[in-house]
Amino acid sequence: EPEVTQTPSHQVTQMGQEVILRCVPISNHLYFYWYRQILGQKVEFLVSFYNNEISEKSEIFDDQFSVERPDGSNFTLKIRSTKLEDSAMYFCASRSLASGANVLTFGAGSRLTVL
Amino acid sequence: AQSVTQLDSHVSVSEGTPVLLRCNYSSSYSPSLFWYVQHPNKGLQLLLKYTSAATLVKGINGFEAEFKKSETSFHLTKPSAHMSDAAEYFCVVSPPSGSARQLTFGSGTQLTVLP
Repeated sequence: EPEVTQTPSHQVTQMGQEVILRCVPISNHLYFYWYRQILGQKVEFLVSFYNNEISEKSEIFDDQFSVERPDGSNFTLKIRSTKLEDSAMYFCASRSLASGANVLTFGAGSRLTVL
Repeated sequence: AQSVTQLDSHVSVSEGTPVLLRCNYSSSYSPSLFWYVQHPNKGLQLLLKYTSAATLVKGINGFEAEFKKSETSFHLTKPSAHMSDAAEYFCVVSPPSGSARQLTFGSGTQLTVLP
């Protein structure tokens, strides 16, 4: 079964450092998403991306965050200058054109720890 | 506005006994409802979804859920637990045909299956 693949599975970084989280969505999917889950809290939406531009973003997704699809397969989330409160599990998701707008395939997540 | 409450953060059952994971929702419209499962080191996998068709929804791996509007519930059940069912389960609510931004996740229920 096709999977959404995320790397790294766990990253530890110092406050103020830049971090890039990588995702390989399912190959025929056209819509891409990032969510995050702070420890002990609920999964929350960050951003959606379609046709090489952001479709929607939440209030969390401020200027410190950016997303990119640098080639035909990768979808990245960059945090420019990490803060302690960015420590969380980050989930990438994708969906096809045919599936419902709220039916997503998620990756296993990348755990980010900011010290 | 919408919200979802998973009533148990942890559920423990013996192998071969029934599973019940409880989910209540609040919504000002007739929602779409989902159950996702996350096994260790794996992505969030869609178990089943309710989108205003039959109120009893059958999913993968023998799971099913019943939409009860009068009780605003969407509990997940399985007649007989298997060791491989041990995972975290998320109940998710969305407006009908809502966007990915509008997915509201529950806090999750960790299911332990005892031999």
